[in-house]
Amino acid sequence: AQTVTQSQPEMSVQEAETVTLSCTYDTSENNYYLFWYKQPPSRQMILVIRQEAYKQQNATENRFSVNFQKAAKSFSLKISDSQLGDTAMYFCAFMYHSNFNKFYFGSGTKLNVKP
Amino acid sequence: EAGVAQSPRYKIIEKRQSVAFWCNPISGHATLYWYQQILGQGPKLLIQFQNNGVVDDSQLPKDRFSAERLKGVDSTLKIQPAKLEDSAVYLCASSLGPSKPGTDTQYFGPGTRLTVL
Repeated sequence: AQTVTQSQPEMSVQEAETVTLSCTYDTSENNYYLFWYKQPPSRQMILVIRQEAYKQQNATENRFSVNFQKAAKSFSLKISDSQLGDTAMYFCAFMYHSNFNKFYFGSGTKLNVKP
Repeated sequence: EAGVAQSPRYKIIEKRQSVAFWCNPISGHATLYWYQQILGQGPKLLIQFQNNGVVDDSQLPKDRFSAERLKGVDSTLKIQPAKLEDSAVYLCASSLGPSKPGTDTQYFGPGTRLTVL
């Protein structure tokens, strides 16, 4: 069975600073995909960044980057130059393909960016 | 490109009543997901459709929850009768489908917040 663990229920960071959110997962699959989703307060969930497990290079999207450690089954999200608009719940998600795509979500980390 | 649409956005009912939620996925998306998100938790998959067929409903409480996807497009999720513990946000998401697993990303709707009194 696949599991996704986010061990930090809540984090705070000062505006313009850098913060790292942790995610670990457990799977016996070799080919899979990892995602970070952002859910602002009372707003819908949007994709932040995705990583294919077969790619060694870490994905980056502007101020967002990941540190993907396949052997350690770790997939952390780094947010650089934090902005007030980054305040949100962040969910780590895992997907693998069998006959259909199966997604698993972590419990989330609430990030507060302080002015 | 229009996003995933859901209605209603909010619903308040009393326990033992019935309620239905509607979802319209992104055009051309073969896969549709219904999630239940309890406050402070991550989304929990209730049911997943591929076109108009169910591929995963292992976590759907089938004694009270039902869902259908007519003609492989719109979908409705129904709860009958509702319990207090059903209070949650119900999220609908869609994706292109397994034909392109390398680029399969879920797109979420705004959700329906259900309060059961």
